[in-house]
Amino acid sequence: DAGITQSPRHKVTETGTPVTLRCHQTENHRYMYWYRQDPGHGLRLIHYSYGVKDTDKGEVSDGYSVSRSKTEDFLLTLESATSSQTSVYFCAISQGQGDGYTFGSGTRLTVV
Amino acid sequence: DAKTTQPNSMESNEEEPVHLPCNHSTISGTDYIHWYRQLPSQGPEYVIHGLTSNVNNRMASLAIAEDRKSSTLILHRATLRDAAVYYCILRDVRGSNYKLTFGKGTLLTVNP
Repeated sequence: DAGITQSPRHKVTETGTPVTLRCHQTENHRYMYWYRQDPGHGLRLIHYSYGVKDTDKGEVSDGYSVSRSKTEDFLLTLESATSSQTSVYFCAISQGQGDGYTFGSGTRLTVV
Repeated sequence: DAKTTQPNSMESNEEEPVHLPCNHSTISGTDYIHWYRQLPSQGPEYVIHGLTSNVNNRMASLAIAEDRKSSTLILHRATLRDAAVYYCILRDVRGSNYKLTFGKGTLLTVNP
């Protein structure tokens, strides 16, 4: 979607290695989110940010950390990747109260 | 978070209207009703949202019951491109928590 990009689009990594996924927005939206999507589980929130350096955990945050040093970038880090973290990761942004979310195109991560 | 109930699947014919129902009997006064859809191999896409009044946009219409315990997403003329999973989500805008919680949604099949 215009205004939000995720990188990389695809990644294969080995168990135990660190991995960082990047979400970049050009909309100057305050809120940013990381979701993962797995068959049988749907979309689940990992972490979210409500401003620069302001982040909070979602429902499946174990094994993940995030950072937001600038409004436009929200990074998701897997400190030591495990096979259970093989998934499709989506970033989303929103302006604020009552507004719709815009989602990125996703990052397909495979941990072998 | 207040929960929603949607049929697992629905079927429609091309160029006919589609009415996708959603029940949310425990909705609170500060819950917005959001609809998203997800096409195969893509990220979720915002469709429409509303609070109390019916809403229209270029993609769809949202009809909200007077007691707000149910709503209906209306696609006026289904196309093959509308085949997707449709999610009805309640979003509480109180405080600083602007999370969206996705359920399993309704898989819409559009027949040519």
